[in-house]
Amino acid sequence: QQQVKQSPQSLIVQKGGISIINCAYENTAFDYFPWYQQFPGKGPALLIAIRPDVSEKKEGRFTISFNKSAKQFSLHIMDSQPGDSATYFCAASYYSTGTYKYIFGTGTRLKVLA
Amino acid sequence: NAGVTQTPKFQVLKTGQSMTLQCAQDMNHEYMSWYRQDPGMGLRLIHYSVGAGITDQGEVPNGYNVSRSTTEDFPLRLLSAAPSQTSVYFCASRRDSAMNTEAFFGQGTRLTVV
Repeated sequence: QQQVKQSPQSLIVQKGGISIINCAYENTAFDYFPWYQQFPGKGPALLIAIRPDVSEKKEGRFTISFNKSAKQFSLHIMDSQPGDSATYFCAASYYSTGTYKYIFGTGTRLKVLA
Repeated sequence: NAGVTQTPKFQVLKTGQSMTLQCAQDMNHEYMSWYRQDPGMGLRLIHYSVGAGITDQGEVPNGYNVSRSTTEDFPLRLLSAAPSQTSVYFCASRRDSAMNTEAFFGQGTRLTVV
């Protein structure tokens, strides 16, 4: 099934706290999992991505944890800052009709309180 | 380097009117796509193109046409606008259609159909 389920829909975190966004999928043919960050009035931009042969990837304060057996992956934002307030989309890449396409989750609106 | 440029940024249409949303990229990317973003539904693929002269349908193609006469441009045409097409539209480009190529998004076009 070409679907990625994302939760929560919205999230409020205090400055310095940890923000956690979860995604789950069914299709085991998905083979690349990026996260995109979108600020109001802007287009999404790639934040961090992971392959399913890796259980964790860290870039600065952002970490993806990947559980292949559970078909789940999550984004952790450590020491969350007000500047992290944005909408976050998980995504998965799949092969169809000769090309790789992305399927996106429904998005999580994160607000970090100062 | 402009990246992906979309015009217009905002548009109001009456039901039944037609219009073209413009998208241009200056990165010499092969792969271009159009998404619509609706609350609670994330980004859904409308149409995509793997190169000049080649287009194909995505997840929600009905009511939209595309063409790709050049590598740089990928316009999206609404044939007869309906209120259900009220949405934010994003154009994106990727270097190619491989699994892990980053998608670069434009700033979006907010379309309202009354």
